[in-house]
Amino acid sequence: QVQLQESGPGLVKPSETLSLICTVSGGSISRKFWSWIRQPPGQGLEWIGYVYDSGSTKYNPSLKSRITISVDTSQNQVSLTLKSVTAADTAVYYCARDSFCGGDCFDSWGQGTQVTVSS
Amino acid sequence: QSVLTQPPSASGTPGRRVTISCSGSSSNIGSNTVKWYQQLPRAAPKLLIYSNDQRPSGVPDRFSGSKSGTSASLAISGLQSEDGADFYCATWDDRLDGVIFGGGTKLTVL
Repeated sequence: QVQLQESGPGLVKPSETLSLICTVSGGSISRKFWSWIRQPPGQGLEWIGYVYDSGSTKYNPSLKSRITISVDTSQNQVSLTLKSVTAADTAVYYCARDSFCGGDCFDSWGQGTQVTVSS
Repeated sequence: QSVLTQPPSASGTPGRRVTISCSGSSSNIGSNTVKWYQQLPRAAPKLLIYSNDQRPSGVPDRFSGSKSGTSASLAISGLQSEDGADFYCATWDDRLDGVIFGGGTKLTVL
């Protein structure tokens, strides 16, 4: 059974760059869509974007200018970079896999990692 | 303000049936399939329904989804205490060119 594990700094200063890694175990990263989704405290879910194993990406238009999602098939990892963070980027960040919907459904999720933006 | 509209709360007693609605528009639900997720307290979301009415393996058949026009519904029959959770609908939006989620519905089992 595939497992996803997010990792990264729990605290980031305003205006800095957030970098998160999702490590995939128990399954191949190939021929799947991998998304990042976030959830601000007490709020709902927001899709950030996805990457396919070929490296093709699709991003949330509201975040597009600040994000990069990439995949490293040799390490079985998916990464998220978010530039120029503000307090509004404080959230739990989830990595999720889509193995049968073509990019817009998430059948496996990581446990999530809390990111707080504060000086 | 979410593009997909869900009631903020729903409730029911054990054994009964409850439905949660999700209202959208022609650019999202009207032209794409709907997914439903369950998020138990302090846990990651879990896919309950995809392609409007399909259940991934392991999801009990007490959970069912439907779609009509620009609206969708999730029905939970034989309500159990452990069903208390937040439920989110989601779909692709052609105008925004991305995945959108409803605001979520908090289900309370009385």
